[in-house]
Amino acid sequence: NAGVTQTPKFRILKIGQSMTLQCTQDMNHNYMYWYRQDPGMGLKLIYYSVGAGITDKGEVPNGYNVSRSTTEDFPLRLELAAPSQTSVYFCASNRQGISSPLHFGNGTRLTVT
Amino acid sequence: TQLLEQSPQFLSIQEGENLTVYCNSSSVFSSLQWYRQEPGEGPVLLVTVVTGGEVKKLKRLTFQFGDARKDSSLHITAAQPGDTGLYLCAGLTQGGSEKLVFGKGTKLTVNP
Repeated sequence: NAGVTQTPKFRILKIGQSMTLQCTQDMNHNYMYWYRQDPGMGLKLIYYSVGAGITDKGEVPNGYNVSRSTTEDFPLRLELAAPSQTSVYFCASNRQGISSPLHFGNGTRLTVT
Repeated sequence: TQLLEQSPQFLSIQEGENLTVYCNSSSVFSSLQWYRQEPGEGPVLLVTVVTGGEVKKLKRLTFQFGDARKDSSLHITAAQPGDTGLYLCAGLTQGGSEKLVFGKGTKLTVNP
């Protein structure tokens, strides 16, 4: 079982560049999430989606955008990369919303210089 | 802001030792999840505790949810190098707009 798959695994961006972090899941989960993990800071929710066509902001949405055109895919877009966006990004999904266990991908390590 | 404080932040022990890590808050949570994260991977759920005072065992790991549902602990008996990783607790807030709040984690290293 693939579970939650994230690509790329590593990326280096220059300030002002844009990129899309890809996330796909094969568990037919309605709920999907994007988190960022900074050293010593825990996981912070960026955006989430409760189903195809529906997205909402999390705790730290500024500088990011998302879309959810299918149940399987939930890409995260950075339009104008800034050094503050250097982090490890995790995509997660679950079946019944925030009260049920999260299934995480293996992350994308992004460095903005 | 509801915070979950995890302690200790770092823990380095020898194989065979016992250890306890803590997850504390001044807020009440509906439930609490524990995850383990290995380097280069995403967190993986270990257990969810729901009832105040609940104790759950997973082989050598024992999880306890405080009576008031404000705190939790994870005890590992006879630690092994395979237990090495970052242990994260996450609390589900109460009220109309539920949120999952993560602690900052305890980084455990078990030396052979």
